[in-house]
Amino acid sequence: EVQLQESGPGLVKPSQSLSLTCSVTGYSITSNYWGWIRKFPGNKMEWMGYISYSGSTSYNPSLKSRISITRDTSKNQFFLQLNSVTTEDTATYYCARWGELDYWGQGVMVTVSS
Amino acid sequence: DVVLTQTPPTLSATIGQSVSISCRSSQSLLHSNGNTYLHWLLQRPGQSPQLLIYLVSRLESGVPNRFSGSGSGTDFTLKISGVEAEDLGVYYCVQGTHAPWTFGGGTKLELK
Repeated sequence: EVQLQESGPGLVKPSQSLSLTCSVTGYSITSNYWGWIRKFPGNKMEWMGYISYSGSTSYNPSLKSRISITRDTSKNQFFLQLNSVTTEDTATYYCARWGELDYWGQGVMVTVSS
Repeated sequence: DVVLTQTPPTLSATIGQSVSISCRSSQSLLHSNGNTYLHWLLQRPGQSPQLLIYLVSRLESGVPNRFSGSGSGTDFTLKISGVEAEDLGVYYCVQGTHAPWTFGGGTKLELK
């Protein structure tokens, strides 16, 4: 069974970097695409980006140069880094098998606050 | 970016009632390869999103067949034929035809 699990700090200070890990079991991240998505307070959902089976990446232009998605294939994990966060980055962050949209992590709530 | 407009934003239904949710796109979602990358997700309270329908009308494995999807171009519909209590939550359409991927604003299904 494919499972994804997000981990990382639940509180980040403004102007700092947000770093999250998605640990995948039951499937290799060297296949398919693996994405990060966030849900803001309320219902708004935003696709942030993905990393492909080959390690190439695609990002939402709205995040400009603040975002980076990387991976460690030896640990079957991929990572999100979002720089220069503001209170508007407060959201629940999900990782998912992208393209298929069929497997999602349980989500991690991140609050940006001083 | 493609804007997906979902209506209604809130839907009140009784158990057994059939309901529909509309998703309208600001541009055609027909890809040059012939596929239409419009999908439907359900997020139940306290859970992560779950894929219900992919490529407009294909039922994800394990999803009850009371869910169905239809549409083409810019207009799409999710229908639930006989709401059950477990169907409550927020429904999203999401498109992947045009980068970046975008989501509809969500439709919250509540019990009347």
